[in-house]
Amino acid sequence: DIQMTQSPSSLSASVGDKVTITCRASQDIRNDLGWFQQKPGKAPKRLIYATSTLHSGVPSRFSGSGSGTEFTLTISSLQPEDFATYYCLQHRTYPYTFGQGTNLEIK
Amino acid sequence: EVQLVESGGGLVQPGGPLRLSCAASGFPFSTYWMSWVRQAPGKGLEWVANINEDGSKKNYVDSVKGRFTISRDNAKNSLDLQMSSLRVEDTAVYYCASRAWLEGWGQGTPVTVSS
Repeated sequence: DIQMTQSPSSLSASVGDKVTITCRASQDIRNDLGWFQQKPGKAPKRLIYATSTLHSGVPSRFSGSGSGTEFTLTISSLQPEDFATYYCLQHRTYPYTFGQGTNLEIK
Repeated sequence: EVQLVESGGGLVQPGGPLRLSCAASGFPFSTYWMSWVRQAPGKGLEWVANINEDGSKKNYVDSVKGRFTISRDNAKNSLDLQMSSLRVEDTAVYYCASRAWLEGWGQGTPVTVSS
């Protein structure tokens, strides 16, 4: 199975900060990577697919980059509604696998 | 707009069966792969299974192979997950999601496996 390693596992930041979350795959997944946001008690929502394409309606402060085994999610200027847990997902090879999550908290 | 509504969750004893359903609307269901994802209490997301447009291809995570069966009824815009031989570690909120890459999600249905 492909292991997806997210870092950091938790992150404290302030409104207006720029933050970056990294996801590393244990083998090449080309650009078959998505990012998801989950708030407590709610279903996840897709933010980005195919590494860098924003899901419809997702604000442009979110961006994704990378290829192969290393990927990043960047939030350019944190807003109050962005504090949540973020997950990456590889859908290159079965079984699809998620990263362990990054909990983004208010500093 | 993708709308997915799961049902069928509940409390079940270890070794027992349970069938989850997902009612889909707002998109051309019969042309989409569909998926199930679960989340154990306080844990991260785990991909469980997916199924192609006509139901001829199915994929599962190893931990559920031989115990869970994903199926769909395109005439009813419905996705099912038949779970058998349930284990305590299957306790989770189960989400259905559209497409293989999890484009839209339902609100989830909780499954508790406990004696």
